[in-house]
Amino acid sequence: AQSVTQLDSQVPVFEEAPVELRCNYSSSVSVYLFWYVQYPNQGLQLLLKYLSGSTLVKGINGFEAEFNKSQTSFHLRKPSVHISDTAEYFCAVSSKGGSEKLVFGKGTKLTVNP
Amino acid sequence: NAGVTQTPKFQVLKTGQSMTLQCAQDMNHNSMYWYRQDPGMGLRLIYYSASEGTTDKGEVPNGYNVSRLNKREFSLRLESAAPSQTSVYFCASIRGGRETEAFFGQGTRLTVV
Repeated sequence: AQSVTQLDSQVPVFEEAPVELRCNYSSSVSVYLFWYVQYPNQGLQLLLKYLSGSTLVKGINGFEAEFNKSQTSFHLRKPSVHISDTAEYFCAVSSKGGSEKLVFGKGTKLTVNP
Repeated sequence: NAGVTQTPKFQVLKTGQSMTLQCAQDMNHNSMYWYRQDPGMGLRLIYYSASEGTTDKGEVPNGYNVSRLNKREFSLRLESAAPSQTSVYFCASIRGGRETEAFFGQGTRLTVV
């Protein structure tokens, strides 16, 4: 069974500062990895995903994430955040060739302050 | 193209009442999911359906039942609602195979009093 740990429940940063949101996963098989974003009172939308190939993946709104198999991590980064990036961010995992069960972490609330 | 549609958007139930949350997708996706979202708990999987005609339990299935009525529709039923089921419920769908992006509905905010 897969599981996801998001190490920080809340991350406050100032506008234009860099940010890293941390995600570690556990699985006995190869996985797909995802980051989703949820703006207030909305559903979730996909930021980026890792399926295979290059370990650095780029997503929407200037976000990127790096898959590290040895560390079982998939940390999300942005070099310079905006007020509009304030949202909750969820890391998720599903197994390759498996039942396609999609499991989420508990989320990290990013607050960007002026 | 509506994507994933959930009804209702809001609902208040009394303890012991029953209700069904409806979810429909128009993207011809194979897999469908029901999650609940609670503060500090993230999204927890209640049930999922990898294909039409199949359903499987997730992390928190107790107190819920599901029906994959056809490829488009996946409903979640609370037979006897409890205050612990107060939550925001999200339905999602995924095409499957290499198409791994999950598309979410806007959520149903359920309060059980």
